[in-house]
Amino acid sequence: LAKTTQPISMDSYEGQEVNITCSHNNIATNDYITWYQQFPSQGPRFIIQGYKTKVTNEVASLFIPADRKSSTLSLPRVSLSDTAVYYCLVGDPNTGGFKTIFGAGTRLFVKA
Amino acid sequence: DADVTQTPRNRITKTGKRIMLECSQTKGHDRMYWYRQDPGLGLRLIYYSFDVKDINKGEISDGYSVSRQAQAKFSLSLESAIPNQTALYFCATSDSDSHSNQPQHFGDGTRLSIL
Repeated sequence: LAKTTQPISMDSYEGQEVNITCSHNNIATNDYITWYQQFPSQGPRFIIQGYKTKVTNEVASLFIPADRKSSTLSLPRVSLSDTAVYYCLVGDPNTGGFKTIFGAGTRLFVKA
Repeated sequence: DADVTQTPRNRITKTGKRIMLECSQTKGHDRMYWYRQDPGLGLRLIYYSFDVKDINKGEISDGYSVSRQAQAKFSLSLESAIPNQTALYFCATSDSDSHSNQPQHFGDGTRLSIL
């Protein structure tokens, strides 16, 4: 069962790029890396998912090095509304269920 | 996600009571999940179901049971509620496309308080 380690909290200012790194040393061959965002009193919301190299969508980019033992979520030009908790998950939902653990996540606070 | 509906949104009850939390989805997904979240912590998986005839225990299933009444409905029961089950409960769904890893879609949660 792959576990992840990410910073407990981060602060940033509006307009800056924010990079949140997640360590997952025990990642398995079939595991994907998925990031979610959660606002208070709401369920987590999918942001981005990747297996290797780089993935980009309209919200964020995900950088995964060749050894896949870590990944970095990059949020370009954050705004106050990006203040939330960000979770990194590693697992293969297609085999044995989605047993990966949502850790405590990284609490991002964006200041004006 | 508005396509994943949890009822009730809030519930206060007493120790020893039986409680059922309901989840329904209009996304047409095969897979459904129940999580609990405690203040300042991440989500922990209680049960998950890959289809109507499939039920699996998650990380913290003790004290809980589930029923998958239909593809669109997955309910969570606390047979005899205890105070340490006070938490925020989330239901989630995902597709079962075997060619990719489908993300989970969460409801807005049920805040349960057990006195």
